[in-house]
Amino acid sequence: QSVLTQPPSASGTPGQRVTISCSGSSSNIGSNTVNWYQQLPGTAPKLLIYSNNQRPSGVPDRFSGSKSGTSASLAISGLQSEDEADYYCAAWDDSLNGHWVFGGGTKLTVL
Amino acid sequence: QVQLQESGPGLVKPSETLSLTCAVSGYSISSGYYWGWIRQPPGKGLEWIGSIYHSGSTYYNPSLKSRVTISVDTSKNQFSLKLSSVTAADTAVYYCARHGYPVWGSGSYFDYWGQGTLVTVSS
Repeated sequence: QSVLTQPPSASGTPGQRVTISCSGSSSNIGSNTVNWYQQLPGTAPKLLIYSNNQRPSGVPDRFSGSKSGTSASLAISGLQSEDEADYYCAAWDDSLNGHWVFGGGTKLTVL
Repeated sequence: QVQLQESGPGLVKPSETLSLTCAVSGYSISSGYYWGWIRQPPGKGLEWIGSIYHSGSTYYNPSLKSRVTISVDTSKNQFSLKLSSVTAADTAVYYCARHGYPVWGSGSYFDYWGQGTLVTVSS
């Protein structure tokens, strides 16, 4: 059971806009920044969004992040077939002397 | 370009100790940043195991703390993970990664990852 809650699956057609949610609590998302990772099949996770809405160099601006209260969202616009992957949210949790927590992951299917 | 590479046995017997090493190239661990271990059981999500600073300061997941030891060898530019008393539940792909922010805690993120290594716990 993951500390951060994500829908197990999401889908969309090419060109569509898709959003993936991540729900937490006051000890994690509510008081700290959120990061998003993309994991393509058979590969290591890759940093997609950091500090709620910042994109590392090389990440297309089709990807955007937002946070409100104890929830965060990842939006992908102009969906492409290569976006089919697992997406994970992560945040620092202030409880128990502090530790990193992840969401359970959302498998995005491009129809 | 920062690169990380995990190495270690792919098979560990139950009750024994899992040992992995992460070799870092393209960046000197002594220069700063924190370095961590994350694992992913087959078909499941990610779990942070723990992290270390070049000075040797360590931070562990509370759920694994009693079994985990992370150490650093700056002379070899690598850091290591030991997980004791393993069971089948510890079967996972183990990743090493760099925290891309020089301050511990909130605000950081994992910006460089190794390719991962599968460790199976079985007799």
